[in-house]
Amino acid sequence: EPEVTQTPSHQVTQMGQEVILRCVPISNHLYFYWYRQILGQKVEFLVSFYNNEISEKSEIFDDQFSVERPDGSNFTLKIRSTKLEDSAMYFCASRDPANYGYTFGSGTRLTVV
Amino acid sequence: GENVEQHPSTLSVQEGDSAVIKCTYSDSASNYFPWYKQELGKGPQLIIDIRSNVGEKKDQRIAVTLNKTAKHFSLHITETQPEDSAVYFCAASNTGNQFYFGTGTSLTVIP
Repeated sequence: EPEVTQTPSHQVTQMGQEVILRCVPISNHLYFYWYRQILGQKVEFLVSFYNNEISEKSEIFDDQFSVERPDGSNFTLKIRSTKLEDSAMYFCASRDPANYGYTFGSGTRLTVV
Repeated sequence: GENVEQHPSTLSVQEGDSAVIKCTYSDSASNYFPWYKQELGKGPQLIIDIRSNVGEKKDQRIAVTLNKTAKHFSLHITETQPEDSAVYFCAASNTGNQFYFGTGTSLTVIP
């Protein structure tokens, strides 16, 4: 069964450093998403991406965040200057146009110290 | 914006019994309601979904019911098995784009 692949599975970074979280969506999917889950809290929407541009973003997705699909297969989330409160599990997801249901990756656990 | 509430937060059942998880939503424009199962160390997996033009959907031991008037929907798992133990999330969406998730239910099936 096709999978969404995320790397790395765990990233530890110093506060103020930049991090890039990587995702390879399912190849025939056209809609891409990033969500995050702070420990013990809800899964929260960050951003959706379609046709090489952001289609929706939440209040969480401020100027410190950016997304990119650099080569037609990868989909990345960059956090420019990490803060302690950015520590969370980050999930990438994708879907095809015919279905509303997402396929999620296994997540990247980001720890900011 | 949309607010999704989910209950209970933890649920323990004996193997073979049924489990029911309930969610409510606030935005009457929401029209798509998926349920996800998350096992330890893995991402959420879609197990069943329902659109607002139907009231019930069943897939083997799993069923989802939707009451649009009351703005609530429920997941029903019958004949539970130990491998059903996981965290279950409900979600609501009115665009198929942004999902609003519940807080999750940790289900334990006791052999």
